Formats: sequence, structure tokens, C-alpha cells
Amino acid sequence: GAGVSQSPSNKVTEKGKDVELRCDPISGHTALYWYRQSLGQGLEFLIYFQGNSAPDKSGLPSDRFSAERTGGSVSTLTIQRTQQEDSAVYLCASSQGVGQPQHFGDGTRLSIL
Amino acid sequence: QQQVKQSPQSLIVQKGGISIINCAYENTAFDYFPWYQQFPGKGPALLIAIRPDVSEKKEGRFTISFNKSAKQFSLHIMDSQPGDSATYFCAAKGLDGNEKLTFGTGTRLTIIP
Repeated sequence: GAGVSQSPSNKVTEKGKDVELRCDPISGHTALYWYRQSLGQGLEFLIYFQGNSAPDKSGLPSDRFSAERTGGSVSTLTIQRTQQEDSAVYLCASSQGVGQPQHFGDGTRLSIL
Repeated sequence: QQQVKQSPQSLIVQKGGISIINCAYENTAFDYFPWYQQFPGKGPALLIAIRPDVSEKKEGRFTISFNKSAKQFSLHIMDSQPGDSATYFCAAKGLDGNEKLTFGTGTRLTIIP
């Protein structure tokens, strides 16, 4: 069975450009989460979706970050006007629902030049 | 504010020995405590998890010990093997509806022959 799939696996872009990261959750999982992993900050929560709604966006670092989920499945995380401090591994996780274990993908490694 | 403190930062154990990683939390609203294992270039994989209504949970060679009054929990890996060499993260989550996982800073475990 397929796990959480993230694309691209690596992304290198210039400062100031916009980037879009994609997450395909495990089939049938209704909840989807975005986290960021960086050397300085460890693993940080960004946003959580239940279905297409985002009850908790408290971890988004600034208004340059946004995320959406359509059809209760695929999610995209968009970072506008990227900065060097946005360089990190962006991890997506999914679960069967509220209170259920979260299962992670392998992440997108984002490098801002 | 670091709500989950993890130690040690790195650990070297001989093959066949017991690896012990400790975590402490501050937020008494936490009620779910998972451990994740992460290999280089991969996402965190759920290893074992516990809720505060039990003091210990064992799955194969992996055991979580939980001390609610001290607000501490630990991971024990019995008969440690070279394949266990990875980074381990403890995490904590609040009551259902609060889906954000708060992670410890990670422990890099190395098992030597």
C-alpha cells in the first residue's frame, strides 16, 4: 500500500520566487498535516486539515505561507517570495482522523539560494 | 518555548545493549505521546505511542515508560542492533481536536558492533 507521497523530493529556487509543494495522503485518510524540519528549529507544526477545512493554521510562520486542500485529498503548500530562512525539509503527514496516529512522507527538501 | 525536552542529544550503545532516551513535558493537557524513528533522507516513522492511562507499553524490543506525576516518558530499546541506528524523536499532543504534535529535539542513536 502507498504511503504519503510528496513532490518534488528536492527543490532549489532563487530568493524571491514562489514555490508550491504537493502532498498526496494515504488513501482514505481524512486528516492531513504539514510540518517543517530545519536544523535550527527542529520539527515544527505548520497547519492541519480535516477534510478541506483547516481548523489549525497556528504554525504558519508568516502570510507568505498558505496551504489548501481540495477534494479531501491532495494538498499544496505555497510559499511566496521565498527567503533564505525558508530553507528546510517540508514534511506532510496524514491520519485516519482526529486523534489517530500521524504517518509522514519523506518530505520535500527546499533550498533557497 | 520548548514544551518537550529530550535527552541525550546523541547516544552510542554497543550491540545487544539497552538504549534509553528520555523526554519531559510541561503542558499537562498533553495526552498522547508517540515516538518516531527517522533515517537520513526519510520522513519520521511512527514507532510506538502511549496514553497517560498506562505506565508502560511494550512492542517487541521497544518499550515506553511513562511517569505522569513527573511529566516524563522514556523509550527503551532492548537488545539494540546496528539497524536501530537512527534519530529518534519523542512528541506530545493534546486532547482530541488539538492535532498539533510538539516534538522533542531528537536523539541520534548509534549502535556499534
